[in-house]
Amino acid sequence: QVQLQESGPGLVKPSETLSLTCTVSGGSISSYYWSWIRQPPGKGLEWIGYIYYSGSTNYNPSLKSRVTISVDTSKNQFSLKLSSVTAADTAVYYCAGLRIVGVIDYWGQGTLVTVSS
Amino acid sequence: DIQMTQSPSSLSASVGDRVTITCRASQGISNYLAWYQQKPGKVPKLLIYAASTLQSGVPSRFSGSGSGTDFTLTISSLQPEDVATYYCQKYNSAPFTFGPGTKVDIK
Repeated sequence: QVQLQESGPGLVKPSETLSLTCTVSGGSISSYYWSWIRQPPGKGLEWIGYIYYSGSTNYNPSLKSRVTISVDTSKNQFSLKLSSVTAADTAVYYCAGLRIVGVIDYWGQGTLVTVSS
Repeated sequence: DIQMTQSPSSLSASVGDRVTITCRASQGISNYLAWYQQKPGKVPKLLIYAASTLQSGVPSRFSGSGSGTDFTLTISSLQPEDVATYYCQKYNSAPFTFGPGTKVDIK
């Protein structure tokens, strides 16, 4: 059973870069697609982007200019960087694993990131 | 980009009732449609993919149907543990947009 765990700062200052890492256990990072999804408090889900172990990526156009998703196969981890954050980026950030592109089979527990000075 | 809508935005039903949630895509997406359940304070969970394929371990009272632009999620007999918000998501092509959600509670 694939398990995912997000890690990273829970508080980021406006205009800075949000950085999160997801550690994958119970499965090989080369077996799935990997994604980030976020959910502002009390609101719905927003897909951020995905990466394959080869490094190929696809990002939500609404965030594309600010997002980078990368993978480290040696550590069984993948990461999210979101630059120039504002209060609107405050959300629970989930990392996720996908057997089929777009279908989210495995979810991390989520981590709340607050953007505030 | 393709937009996803859901109706109703919320509903209240009695235990044992049949509940139907509708999801509509602004353009055809074939059967590239998934449904997720998010219980209060919990992580979303995949219920259905390919519009009608039940994820392993999901109770058979959940079913999905539809193709093209119109889809439904049906709970054949609502149970107390089904209180949740339900999201549809299209995945025919990126961006993999979610619907706004339908909140289901018990009357």
